[in-house]
Amino acid sequence: GEDVEQSLFLSVREGDSSVINCTYTDSSSTYLYWYKQEPGAGLQLLTYIFSNMDMKQDQRLTVLLNKKDKHLSLRIADTQTGDSAIYFCAEFLRGGGNKLTFGTGTQLKVEL
Amino acid sequence: KAGVTQTPRYLIKTRGQQVTLSCSPISGHRSVSWYQQTPGQGLQFLFEYFSETQRNKGNFPGRFSGRQFSNSRSEMNVSTLELGDSALYLCASSLVEYQETQYFGPGTRLLVL
Repeated sequence: GEDVEQSLFLSVREGDSSVINCTYTDSSSTYLYWYKQEPGAGLQLLTYIFSNMDMKQDQRLTVLLNKKDKHLSLRIADTQTGDSAIYFCAEFLRGGGNKLTFGTGTQLKVEL
Repeated sequence: KAGVTQTPRYLIKTRGQQVTLSCSPISGHRSVSWYQQTPGQGLQFLFEYFSETQRNKGNFPGRFSGRQFSNSRSEMNVSTLELGDSALYLCASSLVEYQETQYFGPGTRLLVL
């Protein structure tokens, strides 16, 4: 099946690290993504990880993939107020067409 | 390089009308996908076009259709609009068919009254 789940809300203080979690059910996923959506805007691709990797780091962003548990996380170091947005994880299944299946989204609120 | 552009950005229609939305992919990208975003259903895949052919379709009624032109620009059409069609319609482009990295436009926000 294709179900991607995320917690709805996360609140952190500025300067702290944020960890946004995602679980997926389809073990055939080849790529997993994190997108950011600010109010009234489209989706901004933040980073992605290939399914044969465990970790990917990109500046303040660290993606961890636990394929056994079908768990994906996004860690944002030194979270800033500009990071306040909705974060979506998404999976891409080869053989399922060029289609992304998105999670429900996690609203991150960064407080001063 | 310019990003994905969508027009119009906002649209208000009434029930029963039809609407056409336009998407211009990133220069050189040949695959265009469409997604619908609503508060209740989240982000759902509508369809994907590559080389003017629909390659994949989501679980939407036949009122939703699309096409792609030889310059890779795409349009989607919704006929006989219903209140539930109110949504943000997002277009994404990628370099080629089945290419994993998709880049999204700002979306067209459609309100059906």
